[in-house]
Amino acid sequence: SYELTQPPSVSVSPRQTASITCSGDKLGDKYVWWYQQKPGQSPVLVIYQNTKRPSGIPERFSGSNSGNTATLTISGTQAMDEADYYCQTWDSTTGIFGGGTKLTVL
Amino acid sequence: QVTLKESGPTLVKPTQTLTLTCTFSGFSLTTSGVAVGWIRQPPGKALDWLALIYWDDYKHYSPSLKNRLTITKDTSKNQVVLTMTNMDPVDTATYYCAHLTSYYENSSYYPDAFDIWGQGTMVTVSS
Repeated sequence: SYELTQPPSVSVSPRQTASITCSGDKLGDKYVWWYQQKPGQSPVLVIYQNTKRPSGIPERFSGSNSGNTATLTISGTQAMDEADYYCQTWDSTTGIFGGGTKLTVL
Repeated sequence: QVTLKESGPTLVKPTQTLTLTCTFSGFSLTTSGVAVGWIRQPPGKALDWLALIYWDDYKHYSPSLKNRLTITKDTSKNQVVLTMTNMDPVDTATYYCAHLTSYYENSSYYPDAFDIWGQGTMVTVSS
């Protein structure tokens, strides 16, 4: 079965750039979606179809996907961005989530 | 405004069947390209996709759970129901339903984003 691998944790200083990776076999051939989840809250879509931002998501959130790795980049990270981030793709008709990455803003 | 809300028991016993209802508003499950999915999250763990039902009644299930899951819709009530049989303590989790968009390409619809999520409902499996 298809798997997505994320680092368990990433740390970043305020106003710096955070990069969260998501790896899978030939992932660049698929679309990737990214979700942000803060403690006690439901996930929120922050990136869809690799690079697109839903309305209301700040421009500091961006995404890319090539080869075996998709990346969520947060530029000028703010304290409010501290959360768990999950990548997701579709393997045919099966939804696949990554294991999640806890972003800490130090 | 699209909203979804999950409802169901908070506690079930091992071997019992869980029935969860997702009641939604702001969209219709008769509109082409629209779907509703279920995702769960055990305490402190990752999201786990369970099932999906489309406007045309196509259904898809997690391969590892497909023998235990059934998803149905009642468009007149704006509800989607998920049943999971033979519950086990490892099924203890918060269960979310979410609105799924689709994109149209090469004469077919493909699953896109879970763009709106319900608040989730915590289900504990214990005797």
